[in-house]
Amino acid sequence: KNQVEQSPQSLIILEGKNCTLQCNYTVSPFSNLRWYKQDTGRGPVSLTIMTFSENTKSNGRYTATLDADTKQSSLHITASQLSDSASYICVVSANSGTYKYIFGTGTRLKVLA
Amino acid sequence: EAQVTQNPRYLITVTGKKLTVTCSQNMNHEYMSWYRQDPGLGLRQIYYSMNVEVTDKGDVPEGYKVSRKEKRNFPLILESPSPNQTSLYFCASSPWGETQYFGPGTRLLVL
Repeated sequence: KNQVEQSPQSLIILEGKNCTLQCNYTVSPFSNLRWYKQDTGRGPVSLTIMTFSENTKSNGRYTATLDADTKQSSLHITASQLSDSASYICVVSANSGTYKYIFGTGTRLKVLA
Repeated sequence: EAQVTQNPRYLITVTGKKLTVTCSQNMNHEYMSWYRQDPGLGLRQIYYSMNVEVTDKGDVPEGYKVSRKEKRNFPLILESPSPNQTSLYFCASSPWGETQYFGPGTRLLVL
């Protein structure tokens, strides 16, 4: 069964600190993996996209990694800011003729001043 | 401006009263999809469309209908809403297999 699991469910950190969010998946056939940021009550916005051959991709203070062998991805946030408070969702695409998006339940991050 | 729009943004209705939530995109995307988001469950796909006149069920299609008569529009229809359909709904669009662009969401309350 195609599945995406994220950890932790929620996380509280102080402004300026770093944090790492985890995503484990069992999706086949794997096409790509995306991290989205979702502010409360708003639609998700894409942060990064990674294909099978990519190990690392950065978008400003956000760095995503992908280990296709272990089927794990992480999102590292550097020097967190209050505006980073949001839910972060890992989405894996499967391509078996038609594209299927499998969503994780997200990690809710709260950055405190 | 490239965007996905949804209307209405907020809706309160009563059980059994048919309603339609509209979704429109101006990016000429082939793929469109509807999701519902409930606390602790994340985003769950209701229906999706690969192109005009091509629609398919997602993970939670019961109680919903869709149509794709034009490329830009993908309305979500609740023929007989029930309280368990109270949720936050998102429409999204993308080129095939590419990053999805999400609408602002429609918050629905069914009494």
